[in-house]
Amino acid sequence: SYVLTQPPSVSVAPGQTARVTCGGNKIGSRSVHWYQQKAGQAPVLVVYEDSDRPSGIPERFSGSNSGNTATLTISRVEAGDEADYYCQVWDNINDHPVFGGGTQLTVL
Amino acid sequence: QITLKESGPTLVKPTQTLTLTCTLSGFSLSTPGVGVGWIRQPPGKALEWLALIYWDDGKYYSPSLKSRLTVTKDTSKNQVFLTMTNVDPVDTATYFCAKKTHGFDYWGQGTLVTVSS
Repeated sequence: SYVLTQPPSVSVAPGQTARVTCGGNKIGSRSVHWYQQKAGQAPVLVVYEDSDRPSGIPERFSGSNSGNTATLTISRVEAGDEADYYCQVWDNINDHPVFGGGTQLTVL
Repeated sequence: QITLKESGPTLVKPTQTLTLTCTLSGFSLSTPGVGVGWIRQPPGKALEWLALIYWDDGKYYSPSLKSRLTVTKDTSKNQVFLTMTNVDPVDTATYFCAKKTHGFDYWGQGTLVTVSS
């Protein structure tokens, strides 16, 4: 089964840039989706297909994907961005979605 | 406005069968390309995908849970169902349903299911 690896936690000061990584074997050849989950809430799609943003998601959220690492970048971080972030791809061999283990973003 | 809402029992005894319902609004599961997935999250843990059903009745299951899961739909009622047999306390989790087009783009609020005797 395809495995996605995320750092358990990332910390950043307000106004700075946060980068959340998602590692996987040749992940650059797959489409990566990113979800934000605030405490007690359902996940929200913030980036789909590597770098596209759904309607209503601020431009501060962006994504990239190459080689063995996909990255969610949050510019000008705000206190309200504090949440868990999950990456997700489709496992083509086993034909099903796969989620990463999640990264807790702390705004200092 | 697209919404999904999960419903079902909040408490289930070990070995029983759990059935959850996802009621869809604002879109149809008969639209080509659309799917609805089930994802769960044990308290304090990560998201775990369980099952997925598409507009054409194509179905996919988590390999580790496949023998215990069944996903079905009633397009006329705009509902999707998940059945999990032989539940165990480790199945205690918040269960979400979510619409899938490009990623899971809309999620329900989730329903907490506790498995305990």
